[in-house]
This record gives sequence, C-alpha cells and structure tokens, in this order.
Amino acid sequence: AQTVTQSQPEMSVQEAETVTLSCTYDTSESDYYLFWYKQPPSRQMILVIRQEAYKQQNATENRFSVNFQKAAKSFSLKISDSQLGDAAMYFCAYNIGGGADGLTFGKGTHLIIQP
Amino acid sequence: GAVVSQHPSRVICKSGTSVKIECRSLDFQATTMFWYRQFPKQSLMLMATSNEGSKATYEQGVEKDKFLINHASLTLSTLTVTSAHPEDSSFYICSARYRLAGGRGTDTQYFGPGTRLTVL
Repeated sequence: AQTVTQSQPEMSVQEAETVTLSCTYDTSESDYYLFWYKQPPSRQMILVIRQEAYKQQNATENRFSVNFQKAAKSFSLKISDSQLGDAAMYFCAYNIGGGADGLTFGKGTHLIIQP
Repeated sequence: GAVVSQHPSRVICKSGTSVKIECRSLDFQATTMFWYRQFPKQSLMLMATSNEGSKATYEQGVEKDKFLINHASLTLSTLTVTSAHPEDSSFYICSARYRLAGGRGTDTQYFGPGTRLTVL
C-alpha cells in the first residue's frame, strides 16, 4: 500500500522568509502523481502544486516550488517570500491517476507565519 | 476555476438517525467524485470513489452499508450515513474529477467546502 509521510507536525517561519516542508512517500509504482494541498482554517482544500513522476523538471507555481527526488521518494515544498495568507495546514498527497483517482494524504504540517 | 458545493455545511443529528450529504459540481460534469473523512486535527482519509451510474468503490475498512453513496447524475453525488452514532461525527469532504482534454493524467480534482457532522 502507498503511504505518505510528513515528519514535521508544525513549522514556523518569519514573514518574507523561505520555508521548506518535507514529504516522503512509499510506492512500488513507476508512474504516479504527487500533490501539495493547502487547508486554511475555512477547511477548504486548495491545490498548491502537482508533480507528475515521469517529469524530471520540478514543478513551480509562483512562490511555490517542489524538490522532487524520485529515487529517494522525496517531495518537499518550498515557499518563498512567505506571506501571512500562507498560514494553513499543508498536506502532501499521492495517487496514480492524477485527477482520476482518490488521493492518499500525509498527516499534514501546520505552517505558522510570524509577522 | 471549477466549483464544488456541499450541502449542508453543518448537521447535528440524534444517534440512530440517517443523514444525507450532497456534493454538487456546479459548473462542470463530474463522472467521478470522491468522498473523504477528516477527524479533528487529522488528515483526510479516502472513503470511497463514486462513479456516475454505477456502484461506488469503497476503501478497505469502510462499511458500505453504513455509508451509502449514490451518484445518480453527472453533477450530484450523495453520501448517506445510516443509523449514525457519535463515532461517525467527523468532517466529510467530497471532491469531483474535472476532466481536461489531455486525458486521465491531466485531470484534476476540485474539493467541496466540507460538511461537519455531529451525532449526539
């Protein structure tokens, strides 16, 4: 069974600084998808970034980028120029079908932004 | 972007009653919807995959007779918690598959805002 591990229950960063959230996963598949989702206090899940395993290039979305290490099964999220609105729970997730399959989530990291 | 709604947003019921939660894709057709459960301060756990016009696929450990899923149209899936008990109290979230022209792998999922169920 696939598992997703987030080893940092909570992280804190100063506003405007950079923070990296860690995620590792376990799978026997060679083709799969990885995601980072943000869940603010409203509980609405928001897709931050996605990565297809067959793509070697790391995905980026504005201030958000990932470091995807397929051999190490590692998928970390870097948030640059942290803003107060980035404060939320961040979940790393995995599936083999992109939008077509259910997601396996990690336990989440609570990100605190210090003003 | 695509919008997914859930109704109700909150529900409180007595033990032994049944509760229905609706998940709607408002501006797109969703052949597949997913139901997740989230306990306080915990992660989301996939409960089942709902396909329009066919039976839902349940994850291991999820009681299909307790959590009835119906996906009768391309924009609506419902989750009915039958004979609810306090341990069923949780946050239930649905997501809907948004199909893109690039095929299966390019599809994405949009999440509803969730339903908080409290069983007394």
